[in-house]
Amino acid sequence: KNEVEQSPQNLTAQEGEFITINCSYSVGISALHWLQQHPGGGIVSLFMLSSGKKKHGRLIATINIQEKHSSLHITASHPRDSAVYICAVLSDMRFGAGTRLTVKP
Amino acid sequence: DAGVIQSPRHEVTEMGQEVTLRCKPISGHDYLFWYRQTMMRGLELLIYFNNNVPIDDSGMPEDRFSAKMPNASFSTLKIQPSEPRDSAVYFCASSLGRWVGKLFFGSGTQLSVL
Repeated sequence: KNEVEQSPQNLTAQEGEFITINCSYSVGISALHWLQQHPGGGIVSLFMLSSGKKKHGRLIATINIQEKHSSLHITASHPRDSAVYICAVLSDMRFGAGTRLTVKP
Repeated sequence: DAGVIQSPRHEVTEMGQEVTLRCKPISGHDYLFWYRQTMMRGLELLIYFNNNVPIDDSGMPEDRFSAKMPNASFSTLKIQPSEPRDSAVYFCASSLGRWVGKLFFGSGTQLSVL
């Protein structure tokens, strides 16, 4: 059993929809990271969270340390948001399997 | 800064050959990480360095894999001898701080071992 679980595995949305990707972990953490992998393969770090909430443009990441759960939200989704989103507990070398998001125009 | 630079972008080699992957981290970053990504296993941490010193190589799959960081601006990951199951995308990343600094990834090396 992967100690970092993501859901859903695949997500298809229409442009403009609000997107939520969830991540649950069973290990103790110092920080949780959200990564975005573009269709071309490049990986970008979106957020590093140890508590609370962070916002960058249309992206919002939240974490609940007590419940060991984090969410990544995308408001007003756009086709360019199509990518694989990966949550990671880097200190434990654990990665989620990724959520493949497709946003249709 | 140009970001984390990896070379080559693609490598095709035959089983048994030596493969060397290269990485130049972002100047000033004190941590360098080597990751491997496959369809079956996803992303895996192979090894990481702090100030050029290897800290944890528990993710290195076998003795066939070795990594060095001779100075702050260069690291190599070597596979000798290579095997078809080593086929994967290998990413190098660097950060300022270990687990709480933003991670910057290179564009990866797509390795195919025939």
